[in-house]
Amino acid sequence: GIQVEQSPPDLILQEGANSTLRCNFSDSVNNLQWFHQNPWGQLINLFYIPSGTKQNGRLSATTVATERYSLLYISSSQTTDSGVYFCAVNSGGYQKVTFGTGTKLQVIP
Amino acid sequence: EPEVTQTPSHQVTQMGQEVILRCVPISNHLYFYWYRQILGQKVEFLVSFYNNEISEKSEIFDDQFSVERPDGSNFTLKIRSTKLEDSAMYFCASTLSGNEQYFGPGTRLTVT
Repeated sequence: GIQVEQSPPDLILQEGANSTLRCNFSDSVNNLQWFHQNPWGQLINLFYIPSGTKQNGRLSATTVATERYSLLYISSSQTTDSGVYFCAVNSGGYQKVTFGTGTKLQVIP
Repeated sequence: EPEVTQTPSHQVTQMGQEVILRCVPISNHLYFYWYRQILGQKVEFLVSFYNNEISEKSEIFDDQFSVERPDGSNFTLKIRSTKLEDSAMYFCASTLSGNEQYFGPGTRLTVT
């Protein structure tokens, strides 16, 4: 099946700093989503982005499907951004979503 | 904004007991899913359900698991005889067209 790798696995930021999270996938994808898992375990939809660029406030994402990667940008980070960020894809005729390995982000004051 | 809901938020059960986890997908959605996440690990696909039947399932989804859409709104996951290793967060998701999936808040299952 498709492999989804995220980097870095762990990231510690000072509040106010910017960061880029990367998601690489091993095959062409139909769909790609970014999620934030908060400390309570909830998965919060950030972006549905199978290709192109989207922005939502301090967050933006870019997917280059032909090169099999997606990037999530966090600007002016806040402590509430802490948690685990997952990208998730599906490919071929499969409906299931395959999640990446996650990036654990800690933003310190 | 419509959302997926799940009950209970936390379930504690003894090994060998049956549990039913409940989900209410977004009302006009057609595809339904269950995923699980063992503590500290990534989210794993269990099963997808469309047109009142299972459309895809993973190796994890063995004979101990079953899913049902008993009425027009609920979608359930049953584990017949729970094991310690079934302890995890279980997420329900739904989608209208098979594209963007919307996840519920999860049910934390603890098997003792």
